Amino acid sequence: LAKTTQPISMDSYEGQEVNITCSHNNIATNDYITWYQQFPSQGPRFIIQGYKTKVTNEVASLFIPADRKSSTLSLPRVSLSDTAVYYCLVGPSNAGGTSYGKLTFGQGTILTVHP
Amino acid sequence: GAVVSQHPSWVICKSGTSVKIECRSLDFQATTMFWYRQFPKQSLMLMATSNEGSKATYEQGVEKDKFLINHASLTLSTLTVTSAHPEDSSFYICSARISGDRFYSNQPQHFGDGTRLSIL
Repeated sequence: LAKTTQPISMDSYEGQEVNITCSHNNIATNDYITWYQQFPSQGPRFIIQGYKTKVTNEVASLFIPADRKSSTLSLPRVSLSDTAVYYCLVGPSNAGGTSYGKLTFGQGTILTVHP
Repeated sequence: GAVVSQHPSWVICKSGTSVKIECRSLDFQATTMFWYRQFPKQSLMLMATSNEGSKATYEQGVEKDKFLINHASLTLSTLTVTSAHPEDSSFYICSARISGDRFYSNQPQHFGDGTRLSIL
C-alpha cells in the first residue's frame, strides 16, 4: 500500500484558502487519492476523491499533477467549523484477495482555523 | 446517500464482559466492511477486513479470538470484543464500501460515527 506524507499541522484564519499537500511517491497505477475529514469523537467523513488532474465538488478541490506522486487538497474560504484532522489516503489497490480495498491511514494534518 | 450507522455510540462495561458493536450500511449494499481502532490523538489503525459470507481477514497483531467479526449480510457487520479488559478501551470505527465490480476500485469507504468503548 502506498505510504502518504502530510504536514502534521497547519494554521489558518477564517475566510482564507487552505491548501494541504500530500506526498505519495509510490502510488500504484490503479490507486485513487481520497481525502477525509475527521472531527473529534466522530468517524472520518469523505471529502473528495480523484485519479488525475483536477476534481472539484461543493466543498473542496483536489489537484493532482501528471506524475501523481503528490496531491493538494484546497479548501476555499475556511471557517472555524473546518478545524479538524484531514487525511490523505491512496488506494484501494487492485490487490484482490480478502482485504481488497483496504486503506492505511497516516497521521493526517491537524488544521486549526482561527477567528 | 452512503450512510453507515454504528451502534452503540458509547458503552461502559466491567472487565471480563463481551461487547458487540454493530455496523450497518443503511442505503447501500457492502460486500466489504472494515473495522478500525483509534486511540486518543492517534490515527486510525485497521484491525480487520470483514467480507460478507466469509471469514474476516485480520491485520498483523490483532487477535482474531479476541475480536470476533461476523458479516452475515450485505448491510451488517458486527465486532464482538470478547472478555474485554481496560486495555481494550478505545474508539472503534467501521467503514463500508459500496459493492461493485471487484476490479472497479474507486469506491470510497464510508465511515460510521464510531463507538467509544470504556472498560472499567
